[in-house]
Amino acid sequence: NAGVMQNPRHLVRRRGQEARLRCSPMKGHSHVYWYRQLPEEGLKFMVYLQKENIIDESGMPKERFSAEFPKEGPSILRIQQVVRGDSAAYFCASSPGQGEKLFFGSGTQLSVL
Amino acid sequence: KQEVTQIPAALSVPEGENLVLNCSFTDSAIYNLQWFRQDPGKGLTSLLLIQSSQREQTSGRLNASLDKSSGRSTLYIAASQPGDSATYLCAVINTGTASKLTFGTGTRLQVTL
Repeated sequence: NAGVMQNPRHLVRRRGQEARLRCSPMKGHSHVYWYRQLPEEGLKFMVYLQKENIIDESGMPKERFSAEFPKEGPSILRIQQVVRGDSAAYFCASSPGQGEKLFFGSGTQLSVL
Repeated sequence: KQEVTQIPAALSVPEGENLVLNCSFTDSAIYNLQWFRQDPGKGLTSLLLIQSSQREQTSGRLNASLDKSSGRSTLYIAASQPGDSATYLCAVINTGTASKLTFGTGTRLQVTL
């Protein structure tokens, strides 16, 4: 039973490019969460999704960031026109239901040059 | 707004010692509290989850307690080992926030030989 799978592990982008981060939840999990960990800071909630629905996006920056969790395939966190301040570790987590234990992936380290 | 604080920020102990990590939160209206460990460059591993109605949870050498009214939790690690070296994170889910975790900044633990 594979855990939460994130890819790529490392992503390098130049300023102005787009970054696409993928997350496949654990089998049987329909709830997906994205968190961001900036250097020397704690993890911050970004967005909570269920299949085809955004439940809570209160932690998402208003511009350039979007997330989806389609009926088929992984959840995608998309960052358009990246800036240096977007450099961080982005973690995905999944759970079988609301309020249940979260299982985290190994993260994607985004570096913006 | 929920704030989670962890003390100390860093801790170094010799192998075999028992130790306590502290977590405090400002809003006692929580649904549950989780303790995670994070290894460098890796994702988070859930250690223990305590529901708001519970006082403690145990797993092997780990014991976590929860005093919701005072806004405190402790993680007790018995007979520490070098393999316990990691960053330990405390996180809470507030009631009515649909599984959104608020994390502390962590305690970096080093267990020396």
